[in-house]
Amino acid sequence: SQQGEEDPQALSIQEGENATMNCSYKTSINNLQWYRQNSGRGLVHLILIRSNEREKHSGRLRVTLDTSKKSSSLLITASRAADTASYFCATSAWSEDMRFGAGTRLTVKP
Amino acid sequence: DVKVTQSSRYLVKRTGEKVFLECVQDMDHENMFWYRQDPGLGLRLIYFSYDVKMKEKGDIPEGYSVSREKKERFSLILESASTNQTSMYLCASSLGEVRGNTIYFGEGSWLTVV
Repeated sequence: SQQGEEDPQALSIQEGENATMNCSYKTSINNLQWYRQNSGRGLVHLILIRSNEREKHSGRLRVTLDTSKKSSSLLITASRAADTASYFCATSAWSEDMRFGAGTRLTVKP
Repeated sequence: DVKVTQSSRYLVKRTGEKVFLECVQDMDHENMFWYRQDPGLGLRLIYFSYDVKMKEKGDIPEGYSVSREKKERFSLILESASTNQTSMYLCASSLGEVRGNTIYFGEGSWLTVV
């Protein structure tokens, strides 16, 4: 299975700081996605990065992908209390469906 | 906007009961999924379907079955509920035949088996 693993498991920062979460995986992928989950709710798609891309931006989000290291990072700049949530990476290979990691729980203190 | 609707948000069932979790999507997506989410374990894929009347096992299909009689509806069935099936269940859908498309999730169904 190419399930991603997020690191750290939990992260606590102050409002205004940047938050960085990492994802590692084991096999070749065709894309990697990041999702957000507010407590007790469903997951919401944030950003998709393909295996031939190295970096993508969306608003305050920046995602990088290093296929040689089989890792990705999600950076949230100028964090807000509303960013408090769990963040999951999901990887997909050409012949397999997406698998999700256990997530990083981000707490942004006002 | 894509909408995936799970019919029950909270359920409490007794051990041995047959449980139906219903899910409907309104964007004509070909693919539908059922995940289970437990603390520390992330999301685990139970079953998925790429077409009407078609189903494939995910990582943890034991104790579950599914039904997809119409394209927009995907049901998860617990034939005989057990306490270790107490969990949050997430239904999802995605477009097209290509694997790895963006997945759209419902709000989840919290099932407690007593």
